[in-house]
Amino acid sequence: AQTVTQSQPEMSVQEAETVTLSCTYDTSENNYYLFWYKQPPSRQMILVIRQEAYKQQNATENRFSVNFQKAAKSFSLKISDSQLGDTAMYFCAFMKPYSGNTPLVFGKGTRLSVIA
Amino acid sequence: EPEVTQTPSHQVTQMGQEVILRCVPISNHLYFYWYRQILGQKVEFLVSFYNNEISEKSEIFDDQFSVERPDGSNFTLKIRSTKLEDSAMYFCASSVSVAEKLFFGSGTQLSVL
Repeated sequence: AQTVTQSQPEMSVQEAETVTLSCTYDTSENNYYLFWYKQPPSRQMILVIRQEAYKQQNATENRFSVNFQKAAKSFSLKISDSQLGDTAMYFCAFMKPYSGNTPLVFGKGTRLSVIA
Repeated sequence: EPEVTQTPSHQVTQMGQEVILRCVPISNHLYFYWYRQILGQKVEFLVSFYNNEISEKSEIFDDQFSVERPDGSNFTLKIRSTKLEDSAMYFCASSVSVAEKLFFGSGTQLSVL
């Protein structure tokens, strides 16, 4: 079974600074999908970024980018120019390739606090 | 942007009662999911649904749980006889196709007393 590990339960960063959240995963699959979801205090789950394992290029979405290291099974999220609105729980998630409705497997999350 | 809508936002029930959590997925999506999150813990998969049948379910999704798409727009999760440990935030999600990104609703906070 796939597992996702987020080793940082809590992190903080000063506003406008850069922070990196770690995620590692374990799988025997060669092709798969990786995601970062943000959960603000409202508890809604919001997709931040998505990476396809067969693509070598790291995904970016505005201030959010990933460092995808397939051999190391590492998928870290970098947030540049941190804003107060980035304060949230961040979940790393893994999805197997096509095999019916394969579910997302989530890590335990990292609570990020952006400090003014 | 289209949204997944969940109702109610909060549900309080007595242990042993039946509850139905409702979701309206995004209209052109074909794949539907329920997840739950016990307070302070990670989000856990319950069940996925496609073409009017369950595709996959987790160990959590036992005989007390059922899902239904009664009318082509709603997607419901029923818990027949709630237990204290069912207290959690329940998220509905949908996607347009397999392995595409999931869009989550805002969740229903279920409290079993």
